[in-house]
Amino acid sequence: IVMTQSPDSLAVSLGERATISCKSSQTLLTSSNENYLGWYQHKPGQPPKLLIWMASTRVSGVPERFSGSGSGTDFTLTISSLQAEDVAVYYCRQYYSDPITFGQGTRVEIK
Amino acid sequence: EMQLVESGGGLVQPGGSLRLSCAVSRFTFSTYWMSWVRQAPGKGLEWVAILRQDGVEEYYEDSVRGRFTISRDNANNSLHLQMNSLTTEDAAVYYCGSGSGWGDIVYLGQGTLVTVSS
Repeated sequence: IVMTQSPDSLAVSLGERATISCKSSQTLLTSSNENYLGWYQHKPGQPPKLLIWMASTRVSGVPERFSGSGSGTDFTLTISSLQAEDVAVYYCRQYYSDPITFGQGTRVEIK
Repeated sequence: EMQLVESGGGLVQPGGSLRLSCAVSRFTFSTYWMSWVRQAPGKGLEWVAILRQDGVEEYYEDSVRGRFTISRDNANNSLHLQMNSLTTEDAAVYYCGSGSGWGDIVYLGQGTLVTVSS
């Protein structure tokens, strides 16, 4: 399954909304109505951090400004009010089928 | 919180071998699927391999299948990645990760750097 993110990079003003799109080449929706899609945040010198799983479930401790949505083949990660500490590269990842695949990443910067 | 610490990275010549290890603590290692993920310089994240709790069921990314072997030692809470026939394309930071089900990668370690160069 090919994962395609857009845009490759975006610059957003502090406090503004950032939206990242992720499209899969095949559906990630299972027969139990779950989407096997996760979102990671990756900062330099740190391990990737899981933010969202099952497309829209926020991991415990992740700020509420991060939200995931979408189903099937189209997904979105939204940062509702960008903070300085959110500067990072964000990746979507599918775990619906083997091989597990990541999107190419979206770099988020401050405008 | 789960702790994963990778080791074994270093400089190796093309065609050479390297064995990475991941020591885990603060969780019941034997109940988790374990994975390896890598990031080549200037590139994005790439999944490498995943191994079931009992060490029997394993999956690999196409470019490493037949060259890399993922294994685990549940008695010693450790995960390994034996890498053979290394090429410059394998140079990357390698992260180990854990999750409760197939494909889950919830926690990742700090990573270990593998450099492939003559």
